[in-house]
Amino acid sequence: DAGITQSPRHKVTETGTPVTLRCHQTENHRYMYWYRQDPGHGLRLIHYSYGVKDTDKGEVSDGYSVSRSKTEDFLLTLESATSSQTSVYFCAISATGGSYEQYFGPGTRLTVT
Amino acid sequence: GENVEQHPSTLSVQEGDSAVIKCTYSDSASNYFPWYKQELGKRPQLIIDIRSNVGEKKDQRIAVTLNKTAKHFSLHITETQPEDSAVYFCAATDNNAGNMLTFGGGTRLMVKP
Repeated sequence: DAGITQSPRHKVTETGTPVTLRCHQTENHRYMYWYRQDPGHGLRLIHYSYGVKDTDKGEVSDGYSVSRSKTEDFLLTLESATSSQTSVYFCAISATGGSYEQYFGPGTRLTVT
Repeated sequence: GENVEQHPSTLSVQEGDSAVIKCTYSDSASNYFPWYKQELGKRPQLIIDIRSNVGEKKDQRIAVTLNKTAKHFSLHITETQPEDSAVYFCAATDNNAGNMLTFGGGTRLMVKP
């Protein structure tokens, strides 16, 4: 597996609280992505980053923000968690843009009660 | 944006038989088509990919074919084994979204011994 870690691996939180998920890579890849995975929906892109401080929205970005202050770290923040954000969140990295191999982290299971 | 449809959603085969999973895409400018395998509770792992300038690619028991005219591509697994049991996802690049990947909904493959 590519050098990608995610923390925490599991989290339970209450509706309305802020939550931050962290993705850390040791591959020095330029691109980093956050996806959510829900039954029947495959993987949906939330946000992505194409360099330090360079980020853009994906398909399902409402309610989420991201930050990338270092090449190796990409943070996903749920500003005020809702039950609809209960999901498994995967980080991915690639050396170049979308037309190149993406490698996934181990995932974070988030439950919002 | 890109729309990727994947069929079937579940597939059950006998060990040793072949399995075929099909995907259609809508963006005629898509140029990269990866396939991922995800075992229960694990991260998606890239198993094979194909670019738009190639019609077929093989890697041991797996192969992918691409028909750009019809805008569909398929995953073929021959001589299936119980360890092939997993969820498989196809994806295609979205030319209107910075060539980010759009994923199909997934196919659960069950290989019966």
